[in-house]
Amino acid sequence: EDKVVQSPLSLVVHEGDTVTLNCSYEVTNFRSLLWYKQEKKAPTFLFMLTSSGIEKKSGRLSSILDKKELSSILNITATQTGDSAIYLCAVDEREGGSEKLVFGKGTKLTVNP
Amino acid sequence: KAGVTQTPRYLIKTRGQQVTLSCSPISGHRSVSWYQQTPGQGLQFLFEYFSETQRNKGNFPGRFSGRQFSNSRSEMNVSTLELGDSALYLCASNGQGRKNTQYFGPGTRLTVL
Repeated sequence: EDKVVQSPLSLVVHEGDTVTLNCSYEVTNFRSLLWYKQEKKAPTFLFMLTSSGIEKKSGRLSSILDKKELSSILNITATQTGDSAIYLCAVDEREGGSEKLVFGKGTKLTVNP
Repeated sequence: KAGVTQTPRYLIKTRGQQVTLSCSPISGHRSVSWYQQTPGQGLQFLFEYFSETQRNKGNFPGRFSGRQFSNSRSEMNVSTLELGDSALYLCASNGQGRKNTQYFGPGTRLTVL
């Protein structure tokens, strides 16, 4: 079964709306949770979260981790058409010194003008 | 710093053939991970190499293999190609350390006919 589950799978909004993307996980050796934005090819890094309750912020994007609920949210305020992309959540499942990212299936966000 | 580079960017093969993909990590990064991305399964971890050694492996058949050279460049090989191997293959490099994370290359789009 999926270890990292994202919701919703797709979302269509209008410019200026605020959106909240969800990610829940279940892994044995949690190290961190990461958010990526994928527009065409390479996913680009947004945030890495390791501590519960501490919000990471970058411009209109912010994210927070809840280790008790095994979940994270990614908020985008005042959305723009350039925010249209697939947003990927990944959990770093550390085994020894190795790093292994387990990805959710992503949320496809479409922002219409 | 130059980013992660992958070659070739696009590849078309037929069933039964084999293919080799190449990845050059960010200068100074010693860890290279490979992922397969398909519409149905999302991003799935293939393997990770660090200092020429495979440190971790995902749940893929033995037809998928890889290696890493002393300059940290990595190759992955898929033998006896199947239609289901059609995917975007992404490579990511990691500089290690608690605050570091994975940075992705543009990917190689493999089509198996």
